[in-house]
Amino acid sequence: DTGVSQNPRHKITKRGQNVTFRCDPISEHNRLYWYRQTLGQGPEFLTYFQNEAQLEKSRLLSDRFSAERPKGSFSTLEIQRTEQGDSAMYLCASSLVGVSAFFGQGTRLTVV
Amino acid sequence: AQSVSQHNHHVILSEAASLELGCNYSYGGTVNLFWYVQYPGQHLQLLLKYFSGDPLVKGIKGFEAEFIKSKFSFNLRKPSVQWSDTAEYFCAVKRVNDMRFGAGTRLTVKP
Repeated sequence: DTGVSQNPRHKITKRGQNVTFRCDPISEHNRLYWYRQTLGQGPEFLTYFQNEAQLEKSRLLSDRFSAERPKGSFSTLEIQRTEQGDSAMYLCASSLVGVSAFFGQGTRLTVV
Repeated sequence: AQSVSQHNHHVILSEAASLELGCNYSYGGTVNLFWYVQYPGQHLQLLLKYFSGDPLVKGIKGFEAEFIKSKFSFNLRKPSVQWSDTAEYFCAVKRVNDMRFGAGTRLTVKP
């Protein structure tokens, strides 16, 4: 499968723990996006990379959240000191400039 | 605040009925417009997109959408829905860098 890959698919963690998610975009795509989706809502923009540069961050991305794309290929999203309100589906998408974005299956985070 | 609005939260139709889902956005300037579909248990998939040119765009599975610039709208249509169209539909607007989504419309098609 050469689509966008996200790992893990599901993560259950205790409140206060740190979690890290990984996204592997489609190989030639230089843009990578992270979104958060909660039940009954559309995806909410979190952050966006062009190659390795993080060009925009939503105010939803508090200082507990950090995202990296060290070599312009895969990306990681880390949440420190998780809270119950962080429970959501975390979506990654990738695209080329001027082309539609393709989404991964998402990582479902449950904070207990 | 700039936003993407989808007017219907849940639409229930019988098979063969016609479908129109509304989408309005409030961003100025040049935008790219999309409709994505999410079937139960699956990831978001692109239905259709508008970048420029003919404002009536055709997508997969018989869907089409019309961009009306003066109304800031990009409504999704299908003349005859099928049970397999049951899914959640998201309108999205892309500006220079980011893409913003509406809250989604859940479509249930009764056989």
